[in-house]
Amino acid sequence: QSVLTQPPSVSAAPGQRVTISCSGSSSNIGNNYVSWYQQLPGTAPKLLIYDNNKRPSGIPDRFSGSKSGTSATLGITGLQTGDEADYYCGTWDSSLSAMVFGGGTKLTVL
Amino acid sequence: QLQLQESGPGLVKPSETLSLTCTVSGDSISSTNYYWGWIRQPPGMGLECIGTIYFSGATYASPSLKSRVTISVDTSKNQFSLRLSSVTAADTAVYYCAKLGGSGKIGWFDPWGQGTLVTVSS
Repeated sequence: QSVLTQPPSVSAAPGQRVTISCSGSSSNIGNNYVSWYQQLPGTAPKLLIYDNNKRPSGIPDRFSGSKSGTSATLGITGLQTGDEADYYCGTWDSSLSAMVFGGGTKLTVL
Repeated sequence: QLQLQESGPGLVKPSETLSLTCTVSGDSISSTNYYWGWIRQPPGMGLECIGTIYFSGATYASPSLKSRVTISVDTSKNQFSLRLSSVTAADTAVYYCAKLGGSGKIGWFDPWGQGTLVTVSS
């Protein structure tokens, strides 16, 4: 059971927009920055978003992040088949004194 | 360009100790104000942060693993290591090392090593 809650799966058609939610509490998302990771099949996770809404160099602006209260959201526009992957949110949990992740969301581009 | 590479045995017997090393290249562990971390992923499952360490030796570990985890750093070799004792089949996973960006113990993991599969089996 993950500390952060994500939907197990989401799907959308190519070119469409999709959002992935990440729900937590005041001990994690509510008072700390959120990061998002993309894990393509058979590869290591890659950082997509940090500090709630900042993109590392090389990440296209099709990917965006936001946070409100104890929840965060990853948005992906202009979906491509290459976006099919597992997506994870992560943050610091002040009660656990540890970095924590969501359970992951599998994105299918139909 | 910063790169991380995990190394260690791919097979460990139940009740024994799992030992992995992460070698950092392209930057010095001791010259940067960053923590370094271990994350694992059981087959078909999600990510779990095992713990993080600063070059001074300060560590943070997942409460669920804390009693079995030792994370250490060797600045002379630019490496940090993980030891997980009394392993069971539930510890079978791909183990990743990564740099924790941001401010101190709080931040984001980037970049990641390629990961190494450790299987616990007799």
